[in-house]
Amino acid sequence: AQSVAQPEDQVNVAEGNPLTVKCTYSVSGNPYLFWYVQYPNRGLQFLLKYITGDNLVKGSYGFEAEFNKSQTSFHLKKPSALVSDSALYFCAVRAGDSNYQLIWGAGTKLIIKP
Amino acid sequence: EADIYQTPRYLVIGTGKKITLECSQTMGHDKMYWYQQDPGMELHLIHYSYGVNSTEKGDLSSESTVSRIRTEHFPLTLESARPSHTSQYLCASSDPLQGAHNEKLFFGSGTQLSVL
Repeated sequence: AQSVAQPEDQVNVAEGNPLTVKCTYSVSGNPYLFWYVQYPNRGLQFLLKYITGDNLVKGSYGFEAEFNKSQTSFHLKKPSALVSDSALYFCAVRAGDSNYQLIWGAGTKLIIKP
Repeated sequence: EADIYQTPRYLVIGTGKKITLECSQTMGHDKMYWYQQDPGMELHLIHYSYGVNSTEKGDLSSESTVSRIRTEHFPLTLESARPSHTSQYLCASSDPLQGAHNEKLFFGSGTQLSVL
């Protein structure tokens, strides 16, 4: 069955340090991969997506994600964290075996400490 | 910023009441979606529409119904609310012309529903 796993409920990072939020997926066929962010009291916002091509995808607010087909992973990264990056981050995947509906991870709470 | 609006933002009602959650978008998107999200959990698709007069049920069984009479409007109705319906409801839209199956979703701010 199709699934998305975000193995960490919460990630704590000091401001200025690099951050990684992990995501692995299980689908058949070629996946379309997405990251969304949910700030407190605001709607979900699109960050970036992988369709095909270069495995390193750049998105909004300085975030990037690396697609690794052999490890079926799509980890979100940022070289230098800001306090304002604190939010809930969701990984999602679309593929043919889910009729191209988005399958969502459970979310990872990112806390950036000053 | 996305031009997709949900009302009300918060709703507390008693069991058995009929409610309609409103969702409107001004972007002319053909595709619209309703998701249910419990705190700290993944989103579950409950309804979607690919255009006017087109509605489908999602993966999560739901006692709600939707309609799509106009492109910009996609309301969700609960005929008889129960405490098990307490959750956050998120509306979203997307433009299929941005890409086949890889277009991004635009979300509203959500409706937090509490059924007593």
